[in-house]
Amino acid sequence: DAKTTQPPSMDCAEGRAANLPCNHSTISGNEYVYWYRQIHSQGPQYIIHGLKNNETNEMASLIITEDRKSSTLILPHATLRDTAVYYCIVIPRGGDRKLIWGLGTSLAVNP
Amino acid sequence: GAVVSQHPSWVICKSGTSVKIECRSLDFQATTMFWYRQFPKQSLMLMATSNEGSKATYEQGVEKDKFLINHASLTLSTLTVTSAHPEDSSFYICSARAGQGIRETQYFGPGTRLLVL
Repeated sequence: DAKTTQPPSMDCAEGRAANLPCNHSTISGNEYVYWYRQIHSQGPQYIIHGLKNNETNEMASLIITEDRKSSTLILPHATLRDTAVYYCIVIPRGGDRKLIWGLGTSLAVNP
Repeated sequence: GAVVSQHPSWVICKSGTSVKIECRSLDFQATTMFWYRQFPKQSLMLMATSNEGSKATYEQGVEKDKFLINHASLTLSTLTVTSAHPEDSSFYICSARAGQGIRETQYFGPGTRLLVL
């Protein structure tokens, strides 16, 4: 079973910021938070990951709460091409480090 | 960087035939690759973990004699669906693990759509 919960769907206007929440209340100290997205009929695309500090790259920002029980992925200026299913996954360091996929959040960016 | 390719991107075959899917890490070496299957409107399901130079580890319920995995080099893993049947029709996706420590990440191929008639 996935260790994260996400809203099944969200809408966002083109050009606005998209804020996608994820709850991972049972996260362990050695588990990282990863975000991927899957555009229809394609393989998943890595977006960003973090442990406890906020992270930013050219695609998005990741905000992790101080207690690490939840996080938010921020797409600062959503475009139509950001329409996809977004997955939040926690992965431990050590062990088999397998990805367990939930159902993710289906983000629709509207013109 | 961290590009993973798959070949073919789609394949149609007759029931009873075997199909081989290749997964390559193009700009990095991967000691560990993964094979997933995804049915319509469902999430990815891990089938097996492929380790270079050793036998693959299969998830519960995945038949190792039906889904043959070979990881003969650090940049290539293959999945062979033997004696394919219509229920094997699915979207097959591979991934490769890159980096170490805090930079470790799995990168995914574009997927292979299999249709068994």
